[in-house]
Amino acid sequence: EDQVTQSPEALRLQEGESSSLNCSYTVSGLRGLFWYRQDPGKGPEFLFTLYSAGEEKEKERLKATLTKKESFLHITAPKPEDSATYLCAVFYGGATNKLIFGTGTLLAVQP
Amino acid sequence: DTGVSQDPRHKITKRGQNVTFRCDPISEHNRLYWYRQTLGQGPEFLTYFQNEAQLEKSRLLSDRFSAERPKGSFSTLEIQRTEQGDSAMYLCASSLAVGSDGYTFGSGTRLTVV
Repeated sequence: EDQVTQSPEALRLQEGESSSLNCSYTVSGLRGLFWYRQDPGKGPEFLFTLYSAGEEKEKERLKATLTKKESFLHITAPKPEDSATYLCAVFYGGATNKLIFGTGTLLAVQP
Repeated sequence: DTGVSQDPRHKITKRGQNVTFRCDPISEHNRLYWYRQTLGQGPEFLTYFQNEAQLEKSRLLSDRFSAERPKGSFSTLEIQRTEQGDSAMYLCASSLAVGSDGYTFGSGTRLTVV
């Protein structure tokens, strides 16, 4: 069964304390991996799409990387406004058009 | 265009009642998706439209659920005979192509069944 596992479930950081979030997947034939940010009571906000192992993308303090089995979202010198739930999702195409989401990592950045 | 719009934002209904949600996608997006999200979980796929055609439905979409996208523009999701287990956030998303950058999600409709 195709699964997406995110770790840790929750992470508390001090402002400026860099860290990484993990997303591992067991999907065969991955065609894309998505990272989203979700604030409480809102829909997910698109951050990155990664298509192939070795690919990296950056946006402000965030950097996403992809290997054949997992993706990392690196957060450099986070600020309190980076506090949110970070979701990853995989797309493998074929007969389906759905994204398979992980359960997310709840990030809290304290000043 | 201000993104994907969903209405209502919140809905409280009694068990057994029918409810209908509306989604207005980004105008140039021909693909529309419905997802359901419960507390502490990631969104789960419900159904997918390309233009007005419903091309994929999840097993989660029981016979009490029906979705339409007349004329390939807005979409509605109806739940008949609601149950407490239907309480969740219902999210709509749209995109230009499957797997493309930027599936854009709306803010969702929070359903509470009492």
